[in-house]
Parts: sequence; C-alpha cells; structure tokens
Amino acid sequence: DGGITQSPKYLFRKEGQNVTLSCEQNLNHDAMYWYRQDPGQGLRLIYYSQIVNDFQKGDIAEGYSVSREKKESFPLTVTSAQKNPTAFYLCASSSQLPGQIRGNQPQHFGDGTRLSIL
Amino acid sequence: AQRVTQPEKLLSVFKGAPVELKCNYSYSGSPELFWYVQYSRQRLQLLLRHISRESIKGFTADLNKGETSFHLKKPFAQEEDSAMYYCALRVLQGGSEKLVFGKGTKLTVNP
Repeated sequence: DGGITQSPKYLFRKEGQNVTLSCEQNLNHDAMYWYRQDPGQGLRLIYYSQIVNDFQKGDIAEGYSVSREKKESFPLTVTSAQKNPTAFYLCASSSQLPGQIRGNQPQHFGDGTRLSIL
Repeated sequence: AQRVTQPEKLLSVFKGAPVELKCNYSYSGSPELFWYVQYSRQRLQLLLRHISRESIKGFTADLNKGETSFHLKKPFAQEEDSAMYYCALRVLQGGSEKLVFGKGTKLTVNP
C-alpha cells in the first residue's frame, strides 16, 4: 500500500543514542499504530493513536515514545532506555468508520524499518 | 486477557494438498478476527476477515465461537501461498481499539 511510507528502511544506532523512525500516511486515516516484529514473536503493539494529539501505550511501550501532532505523521522514538531495540518496526494506519464507536477498517501497513545496534 | 494463539510455527505441505492454519483466541468481548499475510519481501496485508465471509485466493476461515477458533483453510495449496500468516483479533480498550496478533505460522508449499 503506497499510502504509508516508513523511513529509513535500515537504521543503525549506537549504544545510548535515541533514534526516531518516521511514518507518514496520505490515506487520511485517523488511527495509526506502531508494532515491533521479532522472529517467533509475531507483531507486538508499541503505541497507537486514534486521533491527533492523543495516543495510548500498547503492550511493550517501555523505552519508546511517540507524538501525533499531525494526522498524517506518527513518529516513533526508540530511546536509550530500550534495552533490546534491534528489531523490525512496522507502522500501520486505519480509518475510522463514520458514526461508529468501533469499527476501524483493517489496518494498512508500511514496508517497515529495520533497526540495528552498532 | 485477550490472546491469539497460533500453535504451529511452521507448516509444510505439498502443492495440491489441503492446508489448514490454526488460530485460537481468548477474548471476553464480541470477537472480530482477521488473517494477515506477508509474502517474501512484501508488506503485511489483509487476507480476509470473518465478518466478510469471503474467500480470498481460495482461502476461507470460519469463526467458531464455541471452540474460539478461526482456522484458515484452503483445499488445494499452491506454491505462491508460501508466506507468513498472522491471525489477529480486534480488541476494544478504553474507548479505542487495537489488533492483537498471534505469533504467526510460516507456510511452505513444496512443489
């Protein structure tokens, strides 16, 4: 789905550094998500945001931070507090069906960013 | 607590054989389930969802609330079906919603 762009594709980090992963979507989706994908672990939710200026912790939020200042952007910062940051990170977005409390459309995913520690 | 279990990490079948990828869930609310697929070097993408009751690429999945299962089936596997498959459960939480994924099953279809 060309509507979600993650950058960079590969990222290297030194010990003790913070790094920020970019996720941009032009699908006009309200909700955005960050997942971490590790071999044998599936996808684990880090943070998610249903609307601008609001976000919630997922299942493994420790050591990560996010912001949602614009609808189309949901950057993820991997802080030095994240002890095992080497992973594949996936961003996703979905639209909110109008007039419904629940019912986001199924999520659309980006190509991912692979983060490695030097 | 909500949970999705895919008991098979790896599944290997021969072309033309039936294939079934298992998925079980645990959720106190009304379940909505999905299957996502990730082909080699491609993005994770939605394959099908139970509310649509559709067949995509020959795959079907029926939600069985009694057995809390949503197994993915195809009567005749093709080599191009080789991929990573994830079962996912939509969960409502604090006024928002999220997907809970299983750990995935890697399907290999041999010629």
